[in-house]
Amino acid sequence: GAVVSQHPSRVICKSGTSVKIECRSLDFQATTMFWYRQFPKQSLMLMATSNEGSKATYEQGVEKDKFLINHASLTLSTLTVTSAHPEDSSFYICSGRQGGYQETQYFGPGTRLLVL
Amino acid sequence: TQLLEQSPQFLSIQEGENLTVYCNSSSVFSSLQWYRQEPGEGPVLLVTVVTGGEVKKLKRLTFQFGDARKDSSLHITAAQPGDTGLYLCAGRNYGQNFVFGPGTRLSVLP
Repeated sequence: GAVVSQHPSRVICKSGTSVKIECRSLDFQATTMFWYRQFPKQSLMLMATSNEGSKATYEQGVEKDKFLINHASLTLSTLTVTSAHPEDSSFYICSGRQGGYQETQYFGPGTRLLVL
Repeated sequence: TQLLEQSPQFLSIQEGENLTVYCNSSSVFSSLQWYRQEPGEGPVLLVTVVTGGEVKKLKRLTFQFGDARKDSSLHITAAQPGDTGLYLCAGRNYGQNFVFGPGTRLSVLP
């Protein structure tokens, strides 16, 4: 299957700082990328969907000014958590999809964010 | 909004036992997927089913899509500790993104 990487895998930051997480599709072109967050022992919650070269579509309740998403190329999307607070601590997972809705999403390994 | 329910929420069994977990919805799906996620990692796709009544096997795992395409089951035969993880189902309808269920957390004890 296709491979998606995330960097960093773990990050600890101070409250009030910003953190950038990268998501790369290594062997396919991801026309659509998805960002999820997952709290301990819970399922994936979709945060936003982004298509290459266009603005991300955010799910209800997700602040677009706090979670900045950039999908500048077919192999890279970034999520920036601005002015992070302890409640933003979570496991952030991205996935990429090549093609339309019927195509498979391939997930990255996730990034664990801890805000002190 | 399509909502998926999964049951049981948690399951702890001994190695060698069989188990079945369920994914249910009131909505019809054009396709449904099952994933397994291990702690600290991203979900890994196990199977995609698209036809009502379809049965797919992956070694000791048997997946079934309901005739009405509203539900699915995952049966594991002779569970092993390596099967431990969070099992997620995800369904989608035509022209829509996949929606994930809350998951079943399986623990297989040696």
